[in-house]
Amino acid sequence: DAGVTQSPTHLIKTRGQQVTLRCSPKSGHDTVSWYQQALGQGPQFIFQYYEEEERQRGNFPDRFSGHQFPNYSSELNVNALLLGDSALYLCASGGDTQYFGPGTRLTVL
Amino acid sequence: GIQVEQSPPDLILQEGANSTLRCNFSDSVNNLQWFHQNPWGQLINLFYIPSGTKQNGRLSATTVATERYSLLYISSSQTTDSGVYFCAGDQRGAQKLVFGQGTRLTINP
Repeated sequence: DAGVTQSPTHLIKTRGQQVTLRCSPKSGHDTVSWYQQALGQGPQFIFQYYEEEERQRGNFPDRFSGHQFPNYSSELNVNALLLGDSALYLCASGGDTQYFGPGTRLTVL
Repeated sequence: GIQVEQSPPDLILQEGANSTLRCNFSDSVNNLQWFHQNPWGQLINLFYIPSGTKQNGRLSATTVATERYSLLYISSSQTTDSGVYFCAGDQRGAQKLVFGQGTRLTINP
């Protein structure tokens, strides 16, 4: 039973660029959530996707957008990258119990 | 939204010691979970514990929902227990987890 998977593992971008991160949920899960974890902080909720629609959103600007595919996998897109976007991006799937992927570490130079 | 406060922020112990980590919530929460974040960033599910007490080996957790707090107990600590422990919950089953700042546990041999 595959858990939540994410790609890539690491990514280095420069300010102003755009980035796409990918997530496949745990088998049998249809809901995907994305979190941003800055260094030394707890994860913060970005948004959640269900049935290919954004169902909830946290306090993040419109530069952060996402998509969910019919197979329930998801993408997180960040436009016009800022230095402050450097963080570990975590994907989670599940209902009442959330299961997390290994994360993508994004560095913006 | 809810606020989550974890204590202590840092804890350094010798191998074999016992520890208690605490999580306080500013309001009623659903779907309370405890996680261990390993050095590579992976969030490992420890307990889903909206109320009551659960045990898993050397770890146990208790949530008193009416008083809005949860405790994580680690007995006979091992060096592999080192890492950051997070608690998280959501409101009204929103599946939008709010995390505390974490407790960094260091177990020295």
